[in-house]
Amino acid sequence: AQKVTQAQTEISVVEKEDVTLDCVYETRDTTYYLFWYKQPPSGELVFLIRRNSFDEQNEISGRYSWNFQKSTSSFNFTITASQVVDSAVYFCALSEGHGSSNTGKLIFGQGTTLQVKP
Amino acid sequence: ETGVTQTPRHLVMGMTNKKSLKCEQHLGHNAMYWYKQSAKKPLELMFVYNFKEQTENNSVPSRFSPECPNSSHLFLHLHTLQPEDSALYLCASSQDDLRLLDARGDQPQHFGDGTRLSIL
Repeated sequence: AQKVTQAQTEISVVEKEDVTLDCVYETRDTTYYLFWYKQPPSGELVFLIRRNSFDEQNEISGRYSWNFQKSTSSFNFTITASQVVDSAVYFCALSEGHGSSNTGKLIFGQGTTLQVKP
Repeated sequence: ETGVTQTPRHLVMGMTNKKSLKCEQHLGHNAMYWYKQSAKKPLELMFVYNFKEQTENNSVPSRFSPECPNSSHLFLHLHTLQPEDSALYLCASSQDDLRLLDARGDQPQHFGDGTRLSIL
């Protein structure tokens, strides 16, 4: 069965600290897609990144970086030099299946609430 | 400002009321989704529509009735709800065409701001 686990419920850091949000997933499929979303207090989920199961190359976008490790089924997210505006709930999600078996279903983790203090 | 608009933003209703949530996407996407987000629970997918056809019903109680008149609009009709139905209801859309044999579900979903629903 597919599952996404974000073991960290809440993280609190001081501005300019680096912080890593963990995500571990379970799937039986060989083809799958992983996502990170940010949910600020306003409510809408904002798409941050997508990774497919065949691409293990790590990615950096500004202060954000992602570490995809198939061997450990993990897709961790690091924010470097955190800022107050980074305070939000962050969700990791998994989409699996291919072709007719894919119904567009995203499986979300429980979310990690990040608080960045000034 | 997102390309997915949800109305109303807040809704308070009694258990015997009938109301509807509305979602409109301006992104030219093919698939639309309803999610429920309760306190201390992960986001739960409720329904998926692709080109106006329902492709997923995640065992949702019949007091929630979705309607998708076209690819740009999605409604969630509510009747005789229970207090445990109080939650944030999020609508999303994506460019996935789930009719395709090689559909991958790899397109990011774009979310609206949600409707915060309170059942008295």
